[in-house]
Amino acid sequence: AQSVSQHNHHVILSEAASLELGCNYSYGGTVNLFWYVQYPGQHLQLLLKYFSGDPLVKGIKGFEAEFIKSKFSFNLRKPSVQWSDTAEYFCAVNPGGTNAGKSTFGDGTTLTVKP
Amino acid sequence: NAGVTQTPKFRVLKTGQSMTLLCAQDMNHEYMYWYRQDPGMGLRLIHYSVGEGTTAKGEVPDGYNVSRLKKQNFLLGLESAAPSQTSVYFCASSPWGSYNEQFFGPGTRLTVL
Repeated sequence: AQSVSQHNHHVILSEAASLELGCNYSYGGTVNLFWYVQYPGQHLQLLLKYFSGDPLVKGIKGFEAEFIKSKFSFNLRKPSVQWSDTAEYFCAVNPGGTNAGKSTFGDGTTLTVKP
Repeated sequence: NAGVTQTPKFRVLKTGQSMTLLCAQDMNHEYMYWYRQDPGMGLRLIHYSVGEGTTAKGEVPDGYNVSRLKKQNFLLGLESAAPSQTSVYFCASSPWGSYNEQFFGPGTRLTVL
């Protein structure tokens, strides 16, 4: 069975600090990888995704993530966080093939950015 | 476009009662999903559908049933609610293909007493 592990449950940073949130997945086949964000009181929305090509992907609001196949990782980064980045972040895996649709999300990381 | 809508937004049930949550999307998406979100446990997939008339079990299907009679609607049923089903329920939809992102509804907060 596939699984997604997010290493940090709660991260507290000051504005302008750099951010890296870890995500590791377990799945033997083709995967598509996503980071979603849930701002307080809002819907989950897509930050970025990877399904093929350049393993370094860029998303909205200055976020980026790197897919390292050998490490089964898809870590999220941002060089300088802002107070408005305070939110919950979820890593997700969508398998391909016959399991398409059977998505798995990580437990989430709550990011608090202090002004 | 309304996107993904969920009805109701809040509901309180007594143990043993039944109810149906409705999810509707107006984006002509093939795939639809039901998740539950509990504190510290992320989103867990209950059931999903890859097309009209088809459904499949996710990670935590027990105690729930679903139906997808129309492409735009995905219903989640609780036949006999239990306190363990107290949660926030999210519906999502996506275009065909596992490389596509999911679009989420606003959620339904369900409390079972």
